[in-house]
Formats: sequence, C-alpha cells, structure tokens
Amino acid sequence: EPEVTQTPSHQVTQMGQEVILRCVPISNHLYFYWYRQILGQKVEFLVSFYNNEISEKSEIFDDQFSVERPDGSNFTLKIRSTKLEDSAMYFCAGAGGGPTADTQYFGPGTRLTVL
Amino acid sequence: EDQVTQSPEALRLQEGESSSLNCSYTVSGLRGLFWYRQDPGKGPEFLFTLYSAGEEKEKERLKATLTKKESFLHITAPKPEDSATYLCAVSTAGGYNKLIFGAGTRLAVHP
Repeated sequence: EPEVTQTPSHQVTQMGQEVILRCVPISNHLYFYWYRQILGQKVEFLVSFYNNEISEKSEIFDDQFSVERPDGSNFTLKIRSTKLEDSAMYFCAGAGGGPTADTQYFGPGTRLTVL
Repeated sequence: EDQVTQSPEALRLQEGESSSLNCSYTVSGLRGLFWYRQDPGKGPEFLFTLYSAGEEKEKERLKATLTKKESFLHITAPKPEDSATYLCAVSTAGGYNKLIFGAGTRLAVHP
C-alpha cells in the first residue's frame, strides 16, 4: 500500500537558520498539505497546495514559510529563519482527486527542534 | 469560529470493556468529519470519513456515527493494541479542505 514519506525524521537546528522539510506524497495525489503539532497540542493546519500554487494558508504561515513542489514528486516546506516556537512535529498530507479528494493521508512527520 | 471539541481527554479501559468517544463540532457548514488514530511520535492514521447525519462506518472493533452536532467513535471489546490517541477533524464547505482538529482522546486499554 503506498505511503507518504517524510525526511528527515528529526531535524535539530539553531535559531535563525533555514530548514527544508521534505515529503514524497502518494503518486496519484493532487492536493497537498502541511500541518504542525506542537508537543501536547492540537494538530494545526499550515497550508494547502494544489495545481502548483497555494490554495489556502493559515495565520501561522507567514513570510518565513514557503512551500514548493519542485519536481512533481517532492513537496517541501521551507522555514527561512527558524524561531524557538517553530519547534514541533511537521506533517505532510495528501489527497487524491474526485470522490477521494476529501480524505487526507498523513506522513510520519518530521520532528523539528530549534535551539 | 469553527471549533472541534473532544471528550473525554483521556480514557482508561479494561480489555473487553466497550465505550464511546465523543466529538462535538460547531462549523459554518460541514463538508466532512474525519476520525484518525495517532500513535506516539507518529502521523495521524486515517480511520473514517462521515458526511451526513445518520451515517455510520465500521472497521473491526470501531464504529463511527454522525449527528448534526457530534460524532461518536464506539469501541467494542477493545484490546491493548487499540491504545492510542483518537483524533477528530472536520472540513468545511467552501474551503480547500483544510482539516480543523480536536485535541484528541488518549485511550489506554489494559489487559
């Protein structure tokens, strides 16, 4: 059964550094999402991406964040200048088209630790 | 404001002791309600999608139901391997399917 994969599983970085989190969605998915979960808190929506552009973003997704689908298979989240409060689990999710477009399948996550 | 509230926060059951988890929601227009299972340090694992009041879905020991204001996840004769956090999420009509999550119910099933 195809799965969403994410790399790295754990990223440690210094405050102010740039990080890129990578995701390989399921191959026939068309809609892509990033969520984050701060330890002990709810899963929060960051951004949705369809047809090579952002379709919706949350208040969290400010100018420090960007997303890209550079080669038709990878989907990346970049944080330009990390802050302590960016420490969280980051999940990539994808959904197919048509009748399956509503159901999102999540990757295993990247734990980001900002020191 | 769209909101999802889950109860209880935590639930401890003996193996074989059936129970229900609750998810209540207030949204401007419900598109779909989703149940996920999350193990510690892992991503949410999809369980069910429900669209309209009265709808029910089943998978092994789990059954999800939906009313106009809430959803229930019924767990029948649970086993220790059912221990996890169960997340409820909604998507709203007119949006791009972003999911709004509840805080989850932490379920522990003891032998």
